[in-house]
Amino acid sequence: NAGVTQTPKFRILKIGQSMTLQCAQDMNHNYMYWYRQDPGMGLKLIYYSVGAGITDKGEVPNGYNVSRSTTEDFPLRLELAAPSQTSVYFCASSPPGIRTDTQYFGPGTRLTVL
Amino acid sequence: ELKVEQNPLFLSMQEGKNYTIYCNYSTTSDRLYWYRQDPGKSLESLFVLLSNGAVKQEGRLMASLDTKARLSTLHITAAVHDLSATYFCAVAWRIQGAQKLVFGQGTRLTINP
Repeated sequence: NAGVTQTPKFRILKIGQSMTLQCAQDMNHNYMYWYRQDPGMGLKLIYYSVGAGITDKGEVPNGYNVSRSTTEDFPLRLELAAPSQTSVYFCASSPPGIRTDTQYFGPGTRLTVL
Repeated sequence: ELKVEQNPLFLSMQEGKNYTIYCNYSTTSDRLYWYRQDPGKSLESLFVLLSNGAVKQEGRLMASLDTKARLSTLHITAAVHDLSATYFCAVAWRIQGAQKLVFGQGTRLTINP
């Protein structure tokens, strides 16, 4: 298993540009999450999904959109990039079952908006 | 609103010493996680603590949970350089079966020879 994969690893955007951060998992996990990590801080939840076709907002959803058309993929869309969105973005997934639901994190995407 | 606070935020210690990182949280939760992050890397799960009094140990790290005090500790015994990293605690609550994790600010641990 590749686990949780994210692309790209690095990206520089200009203000106002759009992009999609890709996330995929091959562990057949129901639950998927997007977090952002600002320098020197913990992670904050942007959006999450409990399964294909079902998504919901986390703590900091403004400026982002998500979709979940398949179990494997959970892309994050930035429509109008702003400097405040400069951050490292982590995707995570977890299996069903209350006793076994540790979240597994991808390698991250480092995004800079100039 | 669930808040999670870690202290200290920075910790520099010598090899061979013992120390404890504290994680306080503001509302009831059914589980608490400890993660490790190396510079420029992703998060690695260390421990999940499910109930009051839970204690887990892996090598030189031991984590415990006191749900009544809303406190978890990560104890480092006889530190070695390889344990240098940032450590995060995260508290979970469940919505629609999914977990929402709230992270502490992290403790940046540096272990000097």
